[in-house]
Amino acid sequence: DIVMTQSPDSLAVSLGERATINCKSSQSVLYSSYNKNYLAWYQQKPGQPPKLLIYWASTRESGVPDRFSGSGSGTDFTLTISSLQAEDVAVYYCQQYYNTRPLTFGGGTKVEIK
Amino acid sequence: QVQLQESGPGLVKPSETLSLICSVSGDSVDSYYWNWIRQPAGKPLEWIGRFYSGGATDYNPSLKSRVTMSIDTSKNQFLLSLSSVTAADTAVYYCARDPPGDGADVFDIWGRGTMVTVSS
Repeated sequence: DIVMTQSPDSLAVSLGERATINCKSSQSVLYSSYNKNYLAWYQQKPGQPPKLLIYWASTRESGVPDRFSGSGSGTDFTLTISSLQAEDVAVYYCQQYYNTRPLTFGGGTKVEIK
Repeated sequence: QVQLQESGPGLVKPSETLSLICSVSGDSVDSYYWNWIRQPAGKPLEWIGRFYSGGATDYNPSLKSRVTMSIDTSKNQFLLSLSSVTAADTAVYYCARDPPGDGADVFDIWGRGTMVTVSS
């Protein structure tokens, strides 16, 4: 299995400030032939299912605000919220789809308002 | 607008079989890939497996011996069966769609989830 490790477990950020979440995979999720990183990010608010934010490491899903951005390659990835809004309070998960047996998620990062 | 809704018994006894239904509206269950994902309280997400249009399946190796997935095209439903359950199977169970297109095995549409407790 590809193990996804997120850091930090939680972070508190002031409104309007930047939030940065890290995700590290136990092996590269870069498919060299396609030059694509098989990495997605989700947002989960309390009592709700996860919502897809980003796939291919940096492609925003339709309708996702542009304050959310993804970066990184190989084994190290980052989700950045450029200017935190109150509605961004949630747990964020990364997911790899390089190895589909099984598809695996990170442990989650909880984002709160400072 | 595609919508998914999970249903099933909220309580299952240890050693019995958990059976859940995902009702799909706005799309055909006989297309795309359909997934089951679970989340124990306060814990991360765990992918259980998926059913491909055409009848193929992919299961998480950690659950493979206990999992069966299928579809009922007449009712446009996606089904999960998990046998020999224990307390460790207590979780919110979600069904989710893997969208068509460029080969990204991600989940763009989710049901709201159904809580399943394993207890005698």
